[in-house]
Amino acid sequence: QSVLTQPPSVSGAPGQRVTISCTGSSSNIGAHYDVHWYQQLPGTAPKLLIYANTNRPSGVPDRFSGSKSGTSASLAITGLQAEDEADYYCQSYDSSLGGVMFGGGTKLTVL
Amino acid sequence: EVQLVESGGGLVQPGGSLRLSCAASGFTFNIYAMSWVRQAPGKGLEWVSPISDSGGSTYYADSVKGRFTISRDNSKNTLYLQMNSLRAEDTAVYYCAKLIGAYSYGYVDYWGQGTLVTVSS
Repeated sequence: QSVLTQPPSVSGAPGQRVTISCTGSSSNIGAHYDVHWYQQLPGTAPKLLIYANTNRPSGVPDRFSGSKSGTSASLAITGLQAEDEADYYCQSYDSSLGGVMFGGGTKLTVL
Repeated sequence: EVQLVESGGGLVQPGGSLRLSCAASGFTFNIYAMSWVRQAPGKGLEWVSPISDSGGSTYYADSVKGRFTISRDNSKNTLYLQMNSLRAEDTAVYYCAKLIGAYSYGYVDYWGQGTLVTVSS
């Protein structure tokens, strides 16, 4: 059981907007530690999608955006495309555990 | 171009040992923290062990503490993970990861392709 909670799955039709939540606590996201997001396409290594809550690395489309408020963070994907079908993971630091943690992951299905 | 190439994975019996290596290229290895991240079959990501740029500071997940040892050779641009007393639950793809920020709370900007470790009799 991860200290960062993500929904196991989300889905949306092409062109729609979906959001994936990452819920933490006062010892991680609520303690102002940054949240980062990764995309893992089937059979491949993860890829950095969003860093430090809201920033996109070079090459990541602006359809992907991140936000953070209180003890939660969210990843939003607009204009959903078939190639967005993947697993998505959030990551942050937890001061109680003294280390970096990943969320349990969310499988995005494009209908 | 940043490249991280893992090697050393394979099939090992419970209680056995294995050493993973990660050859890094395309960046100045000795100024970046690095980490090992693993993923059990069909499961999520687990932060196993990060190491500082100098190698002087390390961290271990509770699940591997006392059994795994991370190290690096900055003269060879190589990261290692010595895994002892292996258990079935250590079966996973092990990824080498380049970190941005401190070893203790950084994030991964580049991942290797992963090497599979299978612990089974």
